[in-house]
Amino acid sequence: NAGVTQTPKFQVLKTGQSMTLQCAQDMNHNSMYWYRQDPGMGLRLIYYSASEGTTDKGEVPNGYNVSRLNKREFSLRLESAAPSQTSVYFCASSEAWDQPQHFGDGTRLSIL
Amino acid sequence: QKEVEQNSGPLSVPEGAIASLNCTYSDRVSQSFFWYRQYSGKSPELIMSIYSNGDKEDGRFTAQLNKASQYVSLLIRDSQPSDSATYLCAAFSGGYNKLIFGAGTRLAVHP
Repeated sequence: NAGVTQTPKFQVLKTGQSMTLQCAQDMNHNSMYWYRQDPGMGLRLIYYSASEGTTDKGEVPNGYNVSRLNKREFSLRLESAAPSQTSVYFCASSEAWDQPQHFGDGTRLSIL
Repeated sequence: QKEVEQNSGPLSVPEGAIASLNCTYSDRVSQSFFWYRQYSGKSPELIMSIYSNGDKEDGRFTAQLNKASQYVSLLIRDSQPSDSATYLCAAFSGGYNKLIFGAGTRLAVHP
């Protein structure tokens, strides 16, 4: 049982480049989330999808877009990467919005 | 006041001792609380959930919720070096649709 799978695990981008972070869960969860984690800042919610077909902004959505492709998959896109977006990105899922969340292994993204 | 606050630590305890990790919260969060453990370079892992006032035990872990004083604690009995990690406290925001994390407390268990 893989749980929450994120790809890629590491990525280096140049300023202005775009990329999509992929996330898939095999637990039949309804809700999915994207967080970023920076030293001293803790985990901050970027976007979430309470259920298939819906997405909403979190605490730090600027510079990002998301797509809930289907119940299993939730992608995060950086349209024009900036050095301030250098971070570790975690995808998480939960059975419902009020249930505990389970995290993927993360993507370590560096933007030069 | 932040919605969920933790002392960043590090909290250093000897092997075999009880480690006590604390988290305070504001009126802006719901009454569902979670403790996550995060090893360096790894993802957060859920270890405890607590929803009602009082204590909840799971193996060497005990979560305590005190609504009157607005704090939630995690006790780790018989601490092991493998417990050395950052412990994150989390609660749902008042709108019930976002999980708010504290910045985490780093625990170091030394032999």
